[in-house]
Amino acid sequence: DVVMTQSPLSLPVTLGQPASISCRSSQSLVYSDGNTYLNWFQQRPGQSPTRLIYKVSNRDSGVPDRFSGSGSGTDFTLKISGVEAEDVGVYYCMQATHWPRTFGQGTKVEIK
Amino acid sequence: EVQLVESGGGSIQPGGSLRLSCAASGFTVTTNHLSWVRQAPGKGLEWLSLTYTGGSTNYADSVKGRFTISRDNSKNTLYLQMNNLRAEDTAVYYCARNMGDYWGQGTLVTVSS
Repeated sequence: DVVMTQSPLSLPVTLGQPASISCRSSQSLVYSDGNTYLNWFQQRPGQSPTRLIYKVSNRDSGVPDRFSGSGSGTDFTLKISGVEAEDVGVYYCMQATHWPRTFGQGTKVEIK
Repeated sequence: EVQLVESGGGSIQPGGSLRLSCAASGFTVTTNHLSWVRQAPGKGLEWLSLTYTGGSTNYADSVKGRFTISRDNSKNTLYLQMNNLRAEDTAVYYCARNMGDYWGQGTLVTVSS
């Protein structure tokens, strides 16, 4: 299975300050069709996950533009340009290039 | 509006069976890939099973041979038949569409004697 490794696992952030989460995969996530199926999810406390970013850098509808995704191959990053109180939760990267789809361990974002 | 609503969770003894349902609305299950994902208490997410629009299916090793994913197009509903349940299957089970663009609210399965 493809192992997804996130860092850090805990991220205390001051309101309004930027935050960055790294996600590394044990294999390339480039699929045979040329796409890279790396997605980012947010899970607020007590809620279901919601997708923020698909295929590395595409924001889902309704996702604030303070969220951005970047990367290629095996190395990916989720950035929040200025953290707001509603961003508290756990963030997961997930690869859908290989079966089984696998998630990172999750990064808990909290306000300092 | 796209909605996924899971049901069928509950408490069950080890070795027992349960069938989870996921009622879809706002879209047609026949034209979308559908999955089951679970989250053990206080833990991360595990993608369990996927049924493609063409009818093929995939399973994680942890549930292969015990769980069966299926869909009823006439009811626009996804199912997960879970047999030979173990304590480690205790989790909230979510259904999700495609690459996770929509998720249900989840249903809790507790396996305990």
